[in-house]
Amino acid sequence: GQNIDQPTEMTATEGAIVQINCTYQTSGFNGLFWYQQHAGEAPTFLSYNVLDGLEEKGRFSSFLSRSKGYSYLLLKELQMKDSASYLCAAPLGGATNKLIFGTGTLLAVQP
Amino acid sequence: GAVVSQHPSRVICKSGTSVKIECRSLDFQATTMFWYRQFPKKSLMLMATSNEGSKATYEQGVEKDKFLINHASLTLSTLTVTSAHPEDSSFYICSARAGSSDTQYFGPGTRLTVL
Repeated sequence: GQNIDQPTEMTATEGAIVQINCTYQTSGFNGLFWYQQHAGEAPTFLSYNVLDGLEEKGRFSSFLSRSKGYSYLLLKELQMKDSASYLCAAPLGGATNKLIFGTGTLLAVQP
Repeated sequence: GAVVSQHPSRVICKSGTSVKIECRSLDFQATTMFWYRQFPKKSLMLMATSNEGSKATYEQGVEKDKFLINHASLTLSTLTVTSAHPEDSSFYICSARAGSSDTQYFGPGTRLTVL
């Protein structure tokens, strides 16, 4: 079956680094997405990994290991505005390529 | 680029009425649009996949006669919640995908409250 697991909640301190993990089990592999969602708002696109390794975009980086079915989102120099849910999602391929989402990780950044 | 809008952003209606939500891709043509609903502190649940010019594909457990989807053009899809009940109160979010692109871009969401 299709399944995505990520921690439900995390807490980190302003200015610190936090790593949000995601493990996935899908039939076939079509990449892995990370989205950020603030409360009451729609998700915004952060990253899309299709190859193994680390991709860096400013303060945010995303890592993928296809052999391990594992990804993580790394947030550096945390700011209060980074408090949000972070959603890991995998496209299922095929004609529609619909996404399956994890439950999301609610990150609370504390002063 | 890749901006998706939704209208209305917030709607309150009486039980038994119908509500239409519009989803538009503003700067690209969306061959496929998706409709999700999200309950508080829960992740997104896919309701249906909408392809321009064809019938929507509904996920298991989603009533197609209650949630009517129309994808009339490459930039517009609508979701109509018919005969709404309080349990339909939720955050409804659409997303759009351009051509063969894998990335979905999300609209700002519509908060529906049924009294």
